[in-house]
Amino acid sequence: DQQVKQNSPSLSVQEGRISILNCDYTNSMFDYFLWYKKYPAEGPTFLISISSIKDKNEDGRFTVFLNKSAKHLSLHIVPSQPGDSAVYFCAADNNDMRFGAGTRLTVKP
Amino acid sequence: NAGVTQTPKFRVLKTGQSMTLLCAQDMNHEYMYWYRQDPGMGLRLIHYSVGEGTTAKGEVPDGYNVSRLKKQNFLLGLESAAPSQTSVYFCASSYAQGGDYGYTFGSGTRLTVV
Repeated sequence: DQQVKQNSPSLSVQEGRISILNCDYTNSMFDYFLWYKKYPAEGPTFLISISSIKDKNEDGRFTVFLNKSAKHLSLHIVPSQPGDSAVYFCAADNNDMRFGAGTRLTVKP
Repeated sequence: NAGVTQTPKFRVLKTGQSMTLLCAQDMNHEYMYWYRQDPGMGLRLIHYSVGEGTTAKGEVPDGYNVSRLKKQNFLLGLESAAPSQTSVYFCASSYAQGGDYGYTFGSGTRLTVV
């Protein structure tokens, strides 16, 4: 059973615009949510996280929003840059981290 | 500062062969994990370890065994490889379990079983 779902396999945006990556989860026991970024031939790297007691966390161009009632979180990248082109994984943790299938973001110059 | 190192990076096995994937971390992390990544499936946890000498099963443990004889090393073994084990394998480590402690991942091992 996939407890963490990323329903969009790919997303393409223009440089300078906003990228919005979405993630849904089913287990209300998750207490932390994380986003990882992955380039080809490399391992995922931790990007940003949010606790379930918060609804927003910001780090530079990256902001994660959490809607607990909808069991939904999103990652906003503003402004998007070509170097942001990568696969982004959403993950949810409760001493057992579960990952979504990933969304491939392409930022066009 | 090497972080998490996986060896080998690539391997082709014949069905029924065995092999061991090595993961080494130099960050003194207590927790170590083995994941596999398959198209459309994301990363799925195979086995993990909460400290030296301990191991536990994850989501998809069948067909794999692990050992954590030293804190810095976590080995993943395939006793009799099957084509269904063709995947990219990632090792990760973390300072703690749970919370917003991001994992540090290795660069992966691409395994093909023919």
